[in-house]
Amino acid sequence: AQKITQTQPGMFVQEKEAVTLDCTYDTSDQSYGLFWYKQPSSGEMIFLIYQGSYDEQNATEGRYSLNFQKARKSANLVISASQLGDSAMYFCAMREPYSGGGADGLTFGKGTHLIIQP
Amino acid sequence: DAGITQSPRYKITETGRQVTLMCHQTWSHSYMFWYRQDLGHGLRLIYYSAAADITDKGEVPDGYVVSRSKTENFPLTLESATRSQTSVYFCASSSTGVYGYTFGSGTRLTVV
Repeated sequence: AQKITQTQPGMFVQEKEAVTLDCTYDTSDQSYGLFWYKQPSSGEMIFLIYQGSYDEQNATEGRYSLNFQKARKSANLVISASQLGDSAMYFCAMREPYSGGGADGLTFGKGTHLIIQP
Repeated sequence: DAGITQSPRYKITETGRQVTLMCHQTWSHSYMFWYRQDLGHGLRLIYYSAAADITDKGEVPDGYVVSRSKTENFPLTLESATRSQTSVYFCASSSTGVYGYTFGSGTRLTVV
């Protein structure tokens, strides 16, 4: 079973509208972290926002916010007032607790291709 | 320059050849990671390292070898490249392994 599911392969949104990118996750651990990354056409991976599983408030970073619903295991990214420069691939990722004494890295979803239209 | 750098940026190699992708970070982060990105799969973890001389396999380690003799360097070697290893490879680092994962710019590898 996939650990991170992004159900929207592609989205078209009008400029200045708010966007919600869906992400659901699967873990049996109590302590975990959720991340969103942006990948523009140039290819680099840009960190957007982080939510820890014990954080009581939803994370926010400028125009980005993470709608964290723990019971539903969802961590949707909300972009307010979308801009043309927001057009990119967006990846949701999860970090689960260590195993074997080290960090196991992030598990990524397959991504959502967001296109902002003028 | 401070940060995490990957080299080369682009590489074309022939099937069966050995190729090494380099990753260097200047933050002295303990944790380093190698991922590959393929269409339809997102990013998948190949190998990771918690410190110098400590490495472990990720989700897709077959055909790859890593080493970490110095904290700042984490090279990835394809011992005998195959066409299925054509991909974009990303290196990442983190000081804590909990958050703050920073990615390099990637290496686009083509095996012909």
